[in-house]
Amino acid sequence: NAGVTQTPKFQVLKTGQSMTLQCAQDMNHEYMSWYRQDPGMGLRLIHYSVGAGITDQGEVPNGYNVSRSTTEDFPLRLLSAAPSQTSVYFCASSWGRRQETQYFGPGTRLLVL
Amino acid sequence: AQKITQTQPGMFVQEKEAVTLDCTYDTSDQSYGLFWYKQPSSGEMIFLIYQGSYDEQNATEGRYSLNFQKARKSANLVISASQLGDSAMYFCAMREAAIQGAQKLVFGQGTRLTINP
Repeated sequence: NAGVTQTPKFQVLKTGQSMTLQCAQDMNHEYMSWYRQDPGMGLRLIHYSVGAGITDQGEVPNGYNVSRSTTEDFPLRLLSAAPSQTSVYFCASSWGRRQETQYFGPGTRLLVL
Repeated sequence: AQKITQTQPGMFVQEKEAVTLDCTYDTSDQSYGLFWYKQPSSGEMIFLIYQGSYDEQNATEGRYSLNFQKARKSANLVISASQLGDSAMYFCAMREAAIQGAQKLVFGQGTRLTINP
């Protein structure tokens, strides 16, 4: 199993550009999430999904869109990139059992100029 | 809203000593879960240990143990016999209720642990 994979590993955008961060998991997990980590801070939840076609907002959803058409994939779309969205983005997945950890991808480092 | 507080931005410990990383939390939920993650300089998030609010015993995983004091709302991570490879950022996180049983995590700001030889 590859676990949770994220592409790209690193991206530079100009203000106003759009892009999609890709996330895929091969563990048949029901739940998937996107977090961002700003320098010196913990992770903050952007959006999450409880299954194909079902998503909900987290703590910092503004400026991001998500959709989930398959169990495996959960892309994060930046509609119009802003310097404030410079961050490291982590995708995570789990089966959702209470005591179970989320499995994190390796992260995507995004720089918006 | 739930909140996690880690009051130690950085800690320096001699190799082989035990170290305690502090974590306090605030929640009105009766059922909750607490996690600790390690983030080395390479950036990945590594799960260390979990404690459920109804668990009667403190969780242990190898050299890691969780000192859970429910009345004081604290969930401190104890690392015994520290090693150079333990140098990393450590995050405390709480599971927050979400739609359809999903698991949302709220993270603290982290503690940077440095193990000196």
